[in-house]
Amino acid sequence: AQSVTQLGSHVSVSEGALVLLRCNYSSSVPPYLFWYVQYPNQGLQLLLKYTTGATLVKGINGFEAEFKKSETSFHLTKPSAHMSDAAEYFCAVSAGNQFYFGTGTSLTVIP
Amino acid sequence: EAGVAQSPRYKIIEKRQSVAFWCNPISGHATLYWYQQILGQGPKLLIQFQNNGVVDDSQLPKDRFSAERLKGVDSTLKIQPAKLEDSAVYLCASSLGLAGKETQYFGPGTRLLVL
Repeated sequence: AQSVTQLGSHVSVSEGALVLLRCNYSSSVPPYLFWYVQYPNQGLQLLLKYTTGATLVKGINGFEAEFKKSETSFHLTKPSAHMSDAAEYFCAVSAGNQFYFGTGTSLTVIP
Repeated sequence: EAGVAQSPRYKIIEKRQSVAFWCNPISGHATLYWYQQILGQGPKLLIQFQNNGVVDDSQLPKDRFSAERLKGVDSTLKIQPAKLEDSAVYLCASSLGLAGKETQYFGPGTRLLVL
């Protein structure tokens, strides 16, 4: 069975500070891992994904994530937060035909 | 390229009534997904279609929920009769293929309130 745990339902950072959103997963098979962002009243948009190959994945808007198999983690980072990064972030795992999303982390950026 | 379209955007009904949601995926996308997103939770996959066939509907409450994709393009999701706990945002997504590594493209969702 697959599952996703996002630590911290709310994260606040100052503008210009490092963003770190945590995601741990469990999977009985090699997983595909995703980060999606959701702005208010909009659908989810893919930030980045890990399928195979390089474990450090770069995405849109300056975000990146590193797949660490030994830690079963896929944390999302951005070196410098921008006001426009304020949104809900979801980590997801895919194995076979099943998709599982975490409960989300709401990111607030303080000016 | 047009994105995933959904309608209506908002719907308010009373419990025990029926409701239907419509989704038109991105042109050429073979796979279509319906998700339920309850406030404060992540999306939960209800049903997945590959063209007009059901790939997985293990989490669809089949006593009240039904979905179809008759011509392998657009899809409808129906709830009959609705319960209070069905209040949620219903998201439709599509992807080119079926493989789990495919990127899903999401519509804006339909926000349902059951009174």
